Amino acid sequence: DAGVIQSPRHEVTEMGQEVTLRCKPISGHNSLFWYRQTMMRGLELLIYFNNNVPIDDSGMPEDRFSAKMPNASFSTLKIQPSEPRDSAVYFCASSLRQGRGSPLHFGNGTRLTVT
Amino acid sequence: GEDVEQSLFLSVREGDSSVINCTYTDSSSTYLYWYKQEPGAGLQLLTYIFSNMDMKQDQRLTVLLNKKDKHLSLRIADTQTGDSAIYFCADHNQAGTALIFGKGTTLSVSS
Repeated sequence: DAGVIQSPRHEVTEMGQEVTLRCKPISGHNSLFWYRQTMMRGLELLIYFNNNVPIDDSGMPEDRFSAKMPNASFSTLKIQPSEPRDSAVYFCASSLRQGRGSPLHFGNGTRLTVT
Repeated sequence: GEDVEQSLFLSVREGDSSVINCTYTDSSSTYLYWYKQEPGAGLQLLTYIFSNMDMKQDQRLTVLLNKKDKHLSLRIADTQTGDSAIYFCADHNQAGTALIFGKGTTLSVSS
């Protein structure tokens, strides 16, 4: 099992540029989650999908953030335009199913730096 | 809303036991989780406990759950330098559809 795969591992970009983060969940997992980790705020849930459908995007900080899941094996998180305060580590996680008792499995994250 | 609280730092000597504490607010919690994060890596699931259990043991790890006080703890026996990491307690949100995490406890193990 390859685990959750995220790319790129590191991204450095200038303010105003578009950033796209990518995630491949574990095969057979039906739920996918995007989290953001910062020192100040810890781990924040941004959005999650079940069976490729966005269920709750209330954690997305602003309209500059968008996420898609075009199929069961791929999701993107896009920031356009990026700002320095978006600098963080972004994690993707997947779980076998939605609901209690189904733990999340995390990727290694994308460290985003916006200058 | 739901909340998960942890102390931020713990420092122990190699060979000692470590106890990391967590409190949660959701009275309908059924599963509670412990994750470990090493530098530069994602969160790795360590163990979890179902709410009808008071204790779960898995090799060097012991999880204790006090539902009345909404208190969860993780005990690591014979702590090793390789156990140095950030440990997160997690609970489901009220809808049971996603996990919410504490801020993490940084465990530092000195030899």
